[in-house]
Amino acid sequence: EAEVAQSPRYKITEKSQAVAFWCDPISGHATLYWYRQILGQGPELLVQFQDESVVDDSQLPKDRFSAERLKGVDSTLKIQPAELGDSAMYLCASSPRDRVGYEQYFGPGTRLTVT
Amino acid sequence: EDKVVQSPLSLVVHEGDTVTLNCSYEVTNFRSLLWYKQEKKAPTFLFMLTSSGIEKKSGRLSSILDKKELFSILNITATQTGDSAVYLCAVEGLAGANNLFFGTGTRLTVIP
Repeated sequence: EAEVAQSPRYKITEKSQAVAFWCDPISGHATLYWYRQILGQGPELLVQFQDESVVDDSQLPKDRFSAERLKGVDSTLKIQPAELGDSAMYLCASSPRDRVGYEQYFGPGTRLTVT
Repeated sequence: EDKVVQSPLSLVVHEGDTVTLNCSYEVTNFRSLLWYKQEKKAPTFLFMLTSSGIEKKSGRLSSILDKKELFSILNITATQTGDSAVYLCAVEGLAGANNLFFGTGTRLTVIP
């Protein structure tokens, strides 16, 4: 069964350092999402791509976060510089193109700890 | 402001009990409501509800949506220890954006 791949699964970094996460969606899924989930809360959307274009990045802290999906397939989320408050689980999800009433398929996540 | 509220925040039951989890919402241009189960990893999809009054069922789990009163419930009958997880409710509300707005979840613990 096709799955969303993410790496690394765990990352520990010191504050002020740069960190990057990678996501490979299910093949053929045009829509890709990055979520941040703080412990004890539900996932919060950071950015949504449709193919290589950003559809929604209104909740992305653009002073330190960036995301790209250059060829419309895999995606990278970067944080520079990392802050203590960035410690969270970063989830990637994908869904098929143009489906109304769809479901999002989540990857295993990257757990980031900033020290 | 869009809002999804889940209750209770946490719940402890014994194996064999029946539980009802609640999700109420206020979103712009409602399209669908989804339930996910999250153990120590990524959320896994349970149900998607778009129409009022139609029950979705999968084994011991079932869910229903009330679009007039703006809520959904998730029922689990004959609970098992493997049902222990956080149950997340999410609503798709922004037309054209196709993104999900999540509640904070209900943490269910089933003890033997």
